[in-house]
Amino acid sequence: EVQLVESGGGLVQPGGSLRLSCTASGFTFSTYAMGWVRQAPGKGLEWVSSVSGSGVGSNVNTYYADSVKGRFTISRDNSKNTLYLQIISLRAEDTALYYCARHKIRGVKGPFDYWGQGTLVTVSS
Amino acid sequence: QSALTQPASVSGSPGQSITISCTGTSSDIGGYNYVSWYQHHPGSAPKLLIYDVSSPPSGVSNRFSGSKSGNTASLTISGLQPEDEANYYCSSYTSSNTLVFGGGTRLTVL
Repeated sequence: EVQLVESGGGLVQPGGSLRLSCTASGFTFSTYAMGWVRQAPGKGLEWVSSVSGSGVGSNVNTYYADSVKGRFTISRDNSKNTLYLQIISLRAEDTALYYCARHKIRGVKGPFDYWGQGTLVTVSS
Repeated sequence: QSALTQPASVSGSPGQSITISCTGTSSDIGGYNYVSWYQHHPGSAPKLLIYDVSSPPSGVSNRFSGSKSGNTASLTISGLQPEDEANYYCSSYTSSNTLVFGGGTRLTVL
């Protein structure tokens, strides 16, 4: 059974930083592209970032929404079946539930077929 | 990366059919057959309903169907059931090598 479990959320002051984690199980993690999607309170879903799965040469590609470029860094550790999202210079508008999700096919062009339950990030002084 | 445009809300009675539209541009919906639809019940994880415009994942009811014409994609739900009441989101791959979601549509089953 595919499972994605996020962690690392919490209350952070503006300007602070945080690292979110997503531990995967039930599938060959390294071969799938993975991503982060967030939902601010009362708002819709917003794609944040994705990272490709490992291919020949083990190079990965990363992709970001313009709204987070330069402040968010996505990475993965295939030996730990874990996806990360490092966030710096947090702003009030980053307050959201952050979901980890798996791209079903075709790398980052593909849909998200499995989602975690999310981890809540609250940015407030 | 402007969000795709969806109606804020739609409604229908049990047994009826409804259609939710999702309008983008030639740089996203119009340029690729990479449109997906998700169902989201508050408090739960989103669920993939349709991908690649009209393909349903295994296990999804055939009451859900998708289509596309030009820059607009559509999700049709036939034989509405009370449990269909949820938020629905479209998503598309874009020419900037990114993904974009629609603003979401709240479906009310009357």
